[in-house]
Amino acid sequence: AQRVTQPEKLLSVFKGAPVELKCNYSYSGSPELFWYVQYSRQRLQLLLRHISRESIKGFTADLNKGETSFHLKKPFAQEEDSAMYYCALSGSGTYKYIFGTGTRLKVLA
Amino acid sequence: NAGVTQTPKFRVLKTGQSMTLLCAQDMNHEYMYWYRQDPGMGLRLIHYSVGEGTTAKGEVPDGYNVSRLKKQNFLLGLESAAPSQTSVYFCASSYPSTGSNQPQHFGDGTRLSIL
Repeated sequence: AQRVTQPEKLLSVFKGAPVELKCNYSYSGSPELFWYVQYSRQRLQLLLRHISRESIKGFTADLNKGETSFHLKKPFAQEEDSAMYYCALSGSGTYKYIFGTGTRLKVLA
Repeated sequence: NAGVTQTPKFRVLKTGQSMTLLCAQDMNHEYMYWYRQDPGMGLRLIHYSVGEGTTAKGEVPDGYNVSRLKKQNFLLGLESAAPSQTSVYFCASSYPSTGSNQPQHFGDGTRLSIL
């Protein structure tokens, strides 16, 4: 079955602490993985994608095919990182995306 | 450049009523999608379209119909609304895949309540 699992509904960390939002997936083909973010009163937007291998707003994510994971990490959390984060998967060359249930990140002062 | 625009933003319906949600994009995207978002369920794909005049079913298509008569518009219809269709509806659009899948651009969402 094709599935994206985000095990944490809510993750609270203190400002300056490291952050790791977990994402595991199940997919039989060649997946492309994305992280989307929704800040308060804003629309859902792309944060980063695994093929870009870039750091956005200090966040990075590495695709681990062996562990079928795509965890989102940031070494030092900022209050403005507080948002809802969704991990998403799309089969290479397909049209459909599968989203996880989301993790709400709260960064405490 | 408005991106993806959804109308209306809020709506309350009675069971059995019909309505149409409109999604418009000004980015010349080929692909368009309708999702619903329910607590604890993430975003689930209702229907999608890979081009003008074409539509296809997603994960949860029952009770919904769609049309893509113009490239920039993607309409989602509820013929006979049911309380189970109370949800937040998101429209998204993207360019076609070109060796890798393109990210989706989302609208602000439509909050729909069925009484």
